[in-house]
Amino acid sequence: SYDLTQPPSVSVSPGQTASISCFGDELGDKFVCWYQQRPGQSPVLVIYEDNKRPSGIPERFSGSNSGNTATLTISVTQAMDEADYYCQAWDSTSVVFGGGTKLTVL
Amino acid sequence: EVELVESGGGLFQRGGSLRLSCAASGFSLSSFWMYWVRQAPGKGLVWVSRTISDGSKTYYADYVKGRFTISRDNTRNTINLHMSNLTTEDTALYLCVRGPPGKYMDLWGRGTLVTVSS
Repeated sequence: SYDLTQPPSVSVSPGQTASISCFGDELGDKFVCWYQQRPGQSPVLVIYEDNKRPSGIPERFSGSNSGNTATLTISVTQAMDEADYYCQAWDSTSVVFGGGTKLTVL
Repeated sequence: EVELVESGGGLFQRGGSLRLSCAASGFSLSSFWMYWVRQAPGKGLVWVSRTISDGSKTYYADYVKGRFTISRDNTRNTINLHMSNLTTEDTALYLCVRGPPGKYMDLWGRGTLVTVSS
């Protein structure tokens, strides 16, 4: 089976840039999505097809994917960005999620 | 309002069966792939199953194959997940999700909690 690996936690100061990585074998050959899940809420799509933002997602959110690593970058991080973030890709006909990264803004 | 609303969760016995439902409103399910994703308490997202737009093909995670069945009724704008031979590891919040065919997941329901007791 295909695995996506994320760091369990990332910390960032308000106004700084946060980077969350997602590692998978030849991940750059796949499209990667990112979901934000605030406490007590359902996930929200923040990046799709590696680097595209859905309508309503701030420009502060960006993504990249190359080699074995996809990265979600949040610039000028705000307190409201504190959440769990999950990367997701396809492995043949199966959906695969990373284990999630808890972003703490402190 | 565009939304997905799940129902059918509750407390169940190990080895038992149940059916979850997901009702879509504000849009037609027929254009979308539909998914079930689960999240155990305090844990991450795990894909369970999906069905393509017309329901002719269904797919399952290995750990639910042979026990879970996904179905959809595009005329009623609903999807279902029949779960059988339940184990305590099936305890989770079950989320109904939609997505454009073969791409991402762009609308998530709030979920319905399934608790399996031993």
